[in-house]
Amino acid sequence: EIVLTQSPGTLSLSPGERATLSCRSSQSTSSSFLAWYQQKPGQTPRLLIYGSSSRATGIPDRFSGSGSGTDFTLSISRLEPEDSAVYYCQQYGSSPTFGGGTKVEIK
Amino acid sequence: EVQLLESGGGLVQPGGSLRLSCAASGFTFSNYAMSWVRQAPGKGLEWVSAISGSDGGTYYADSVKGRFTISRDNSKSTLYLQMNSLRAEDTAVYYCAKQRWLQPIDSWGQGTLVTVSA
Repeated sequence: EIVLTQSPGTLSLSPGERATLSCRSSQSTSSSFLAWYQQKPGQTPRLLIYGSSSRATGIPDRFSGSGSGTDFTLSISRLEPEDSAVYYCQQYGSSPTFGGGTKVEIK
Repeated sequence: EVQLLESGGGLVQPGGSLRLSCAASGFTFSNYAMSWVRQAPGKGLEWVSAISGSDGGTYYADSVKGRFTISRDNSKSTLYLQMNSLRAEDTAVYYCAKQRWLQPIDSWGQGTLVTVSA
């Protein structure tokens, strides 16, 4: 089983700042099978990024993904109050797994 | 519009069984793989099981293998999860999710709560 470790656990930033979220895989993961989701309180997750760097439909270009091998990153530029949420990475190979999540708080 | 409506959750004693259903609409059900993902109260997401749309191949997380069975009825556009030998650690909201095989999840149901407690 591929274990995904996300860091930091919590990120507290001000509006307009840049957030950088990390997702580290226990095994080399094809970048084709790495996604990021956003989950706000009381809501279901929303797909942000797939294939490591492709934005899902309707996702603003403030959100970007990068990485390969065992290290992947989600960046959120120009943070807005609505970006307050928990962000999960997922590898969606034949036996998918999720990371533990990073909570982004907007001061 | 894609709709995924889960049902069947509830309170069950440890060692008991429960069957979840997910009624799908708004897309051609048989063309898509389907998954169950759970989220324990206040915790993160955990992938539980998936079933392909075409050949019905099934896949399970190690934590549920041998206890849970995923199935689908394409004629009824319905996904199922039979859960046996339930444990306290299976307590969670169970989400039904839609995806193409080896693609990310693109739609989620609202979830059904399963509570395993004496």
